[in-house]
Amino acid sequence: TQLLEQSPQFLSIQEGENLTVYCNSSSVFSSLQWYRQEPGEGPVLLVTVVTGGEVKKLKRLTFQFGDARKDSSLHITAAQPGDTGLYLCAAFYNQGGKLIFGQGTELSVKP
Amino acid sequence: ETGVTQSPTHLIKTRGQQVTLRCSSQSGHNTVSWYQQALGQGPQFIFQYYREEENGRGNFPPRFSGLQFPNYSSELNVNALELDDSALYLCASSLDQSRGYTFGSGTRLTVV
Repeated sequence: TQLLEQSPQFLSIQEGENLTVYCNSSSVFSSLQWYRQEPGEGPVLLVTVVTGGEVKKLKRLTFQFGDARKDSSLHITAAQPGDTGLYLCAAFYNQGGKLIFGQGTELSVKP
Repeated sequence: ETGVTQSPTHLIKTRGQQVTLRCSSQSGHNTVSWYQQALGQGPQFIFQYYREEENGRGNFPPRFSGLQFPNYSSELNVNALELDDSALYLCASSLDQSRGYTFGSGTRLTVV
């Protein structure tokens, strides 16, 4: 059974602060996808990381894939209220062709 | 690109009834997956279809079934509804699963 642990589950910060969300698994996965979901909407793909050690940047968001391809992190610099939402990591496993989601991190950025 | 569209957006059913949810995939996407999402939780994988064949299934009972049609649209059927089936049901389509999925806005199912 492939499990993906995401932490923290809840995060409430002030505008301008930095934060990091972690995603860990005991299994190696083919790729790791990060999504953001707003209330009443489906998840929207932010980025996909494929290569161990890979780092990708999307404006103030930095995504990192662990060397062993078992973990990933999302770092947000100078968070803004518009960053508020549910952040989801999802691991794609070639075996069975499944996309497995973590529990999500509910981020609230207060002005 | 029209994205993924799901219908209906909201639905209320009685325990024991059956329900069919529908999904139109993004143009050109041949893979469609269905997920169940409880409030504040990550989506749980139900099953996936590739070119009209089921090619992956999560830990859901057989009363959850599906179809994919030649135009790659899809249906999720749930029989003998239970109260715990109340959730947001998400459909997602992809051309290259390892690169990412496009999700619909979901169907909010309430079982009373």
